[in-house]
Amino acid sequence: EAQVTQNPRYLITVTGKKLTVTCSQNMNHEYMSWYRQDPGLGLRQIYYSMNVEVTDKGDVPEGYKVSRKEKRNFPLILESPSPNQTSLYFCASSFRQGSYNEQFFGPGTRLTVL
Amino acid sequence: GDSVTQMEGPVTLSEEAFLTINCTYTATGYPSLFWYVQYPGEGLQLLLKATKADDKGSNKGFEATYRKETTSFHLEKGSVQVSDSAVYFCAQNTGNQFYFGTGTSLTVIP
Repeated sequence: EAQVTQNPRYLITVTGKKLTVTCSQNMNHEYMSWYRQDPGLGLRQIYYSMNVEVTDKGDVPEGYKVSRKEKRNFPLILESPSPNQTSLYFCASSFRQGSYNEQFFGPGTRLTVL
Repeated sequence: GDSVTQMEGPVTLSEEAFLTINCTYTATGYPSLFWYVQYPGEGLQLLLKATKADDKGSNKGFEATYRKETTSFHLEKGSVQVSDSAVYFCAQNTGNQFYFGTGTSLTVIP
């Protein structure tokens, strides 16, 4: 089944404790992206990747890191999480960046930073 | 900068009522426009899209027309069903980035 998977689905952590949220897709997609969803703010793009070893900042990259060493994986790293990073996070992928390419979303990761 | 503004919710309708959710955009170039739907506890799914002015996207009875003159992409459905209850997001794609609206929650009551 074609899908985007994220792990973990739920995470409660404390300020300053490094964490990684994994994202993997099995569709051989070139483009991958991370979003955060907050009430009243909708989805905001954190980082995106056009292909392996090619990443770029979205609208809200502060406090986050990403890497794209393999085509299928795009982990999101929070080196020193803070309470303002408490949010619902979505990973998405598409075959290639372009207006005709649908983005497929993962199920989401709900992160709470105490 | 580029952005999307959509109608505030929540919206509550009776089954078979007409639905309109307004969406306007600002963009430096010529964006593609999308409507995504999010059911409870799930990720977003593409509902429909339009890639150029005057294009009409349609799917599952929903429609939206890309209006360049009014920079709008309003979502409509003639007769909503209980199963349409979800959160709807308008989005635009300019260059390599996507911009989403804040989402409109729709509840359809029998």
